[in-house]
Amino acid sequence: DVKVTQSSRYLVKRTGEKVFLECVQDMDHENMFWYRQDPGLGLRLIYFSYDVKMKEKGDIPEGYSVSREKKERFSLILESASTNQTSMYLCASSPGWAKGPQHFGDGTRLSIL
Amino acid sequence: TQLLEQSPQFLSIQEGENLTVYCNSSSVFSSLQWYRQEPGEGPVLLVTVVTGGEVKKLKRLTFQFGDARKDSSLHITAAQPGDTGLYLCAGARTDKLIFGTGTRLQVFP
Repeated sequence: DVKVTQSSRYLVKRTGEKVFLECVQDMDHENMFWYRQDPGLGLRLIYFSYDVKMKEKGDIPEGYSVSREKKERFSLILESASTNQTSMYLCASSPGWAKGPQHFGDGTRLSIL
Repeated sequence: TQLLEQSPQFLSIQEGENLTVYCNSSSVFSSLQWYRQEPGEGPVLLVTVVTGGEVKKLKRLTFQFGDARKDSSLHITAAQPGDTGLYLCAGARTDKLIFGTGTRLQVFP
């Protein structure tokens, strides 16, 4: 069965810290995505990657960066965490076509104090 | 700017009732997907509609894509507590998906 695994379900960090969120997929998918989910706003795309070492900005990339050194792993980095980055973060992957159906992890609820 | 608006935002109904969720946009999409997200989990794909006017059924769930491919609806017949969750539509444009604002459904026994 397809599996997207996010390293932490809950994370609490302090303002100014550098935060790493990890995501691994076991389906050999080309495309990987990072979203944040906030009530009433749906899912907003932060960054996506359609190949190893490739990355594209989504709709809200400010304050974030990403790394994709291996096909199965896509990391989201908060360079200097701020309270407005408190949110649910979802990782997803999809094969071939980047606008095709996506498989999601269970999310990381991140709180920045 | 939110390109996909869903309504209603919240829906609370009794078991056995029917309901419809709407997903509207002023933009055209090449296809539209519907996902359901249960508490503590990520969204799971329910269906993809591709052709304008297309209707797809998944047991008690009926999905329709608007003729102009700008809107979609999800109708649930005889809702059950197991239908509880957050329903998200997602439209395909250029190289990515645009997600809707979400409809949170609660079905009481």
